[in-house]
Amino acid sequence: TQLLEQSPQFLSIQEGENLTVYCNSSSVFSSLQWYRQEPGEGPVLLVTVVTGGEVKKLKRLTFQFGDARKDSSLHITAAQPGDTGLYLCAGGATNAGKSTFGDGTTLTVKP
Amino acid sequence: DAEITQSPRHKITETGRQVTLACHQTWNHNNMFWYRQDLGHGLRLIHYSYGVHDTNKGEVSDGYSVSRSNTEDLPLTLESAASSQTSVYFCASRTDMNTEAFFGQGTRLTVV
Repeated sequence: TQLLEQSPQFLSIQEGENLTVYCNSSSVFSSLQWYRQEPGEGPVLLVTVVTGGEVKKLKRLTFQFGDARKDSSLHITAAQPGDTGLYLCAGGATNAGKSTFGDGTTLTVKP
Repeated sequence: DAEITQSPRHKITETGRQVTLACHQTWNHNNMFWYRQDLGHGLRLIHYSYGVHDTNKGEVSDGYSVSRSNTEDLPLTLESAASSQTSVYFCASRTDMNTEAFFGQGTRLTVV
């Protein structure tokens, strides 16, 4: 079983601060996705990274896939209250249509 | 617009009863999945299907079953509901591993 560990589990910051959350594994993934989930809703995809070392930017969010494709990070610049939510990473194995999800990072951004 | 819907949104049932949660998608995706989400455990895979008549066990499949008689539907059945199965259940579908998984809004199941 491929495991994904996310850290920190909980993060509470003030509006305007920067933050980074991590997604780590001992296994190699062929792709990694980040999702954001709001209370009472299903997760919604933010980004998919497939190449080792890849960096993708989505407005104030920067996603990086590790060179060895075992880890990933999500950096948020100047966090806003609207960024509050549960951030989940999900790793996909080669030749498998299913993903393994991490336990998530619960982010609270206070105004 | 294509979508994925779950029903019911909320369900309370008694221990020992059989319960079926519905999942219907209009994306025409071959891959469909059922997860449960509990505090501190993220999303754990229960069962999944790669196409009609295909079903596979996930990491927490005991006490659950699924069937796939068409592309659009993957109902999840709890054979004999237990209190440990109180959870929020999410259904998802996708084209393949590297594409977006579209999730339903979830079913909150309480077993009393």
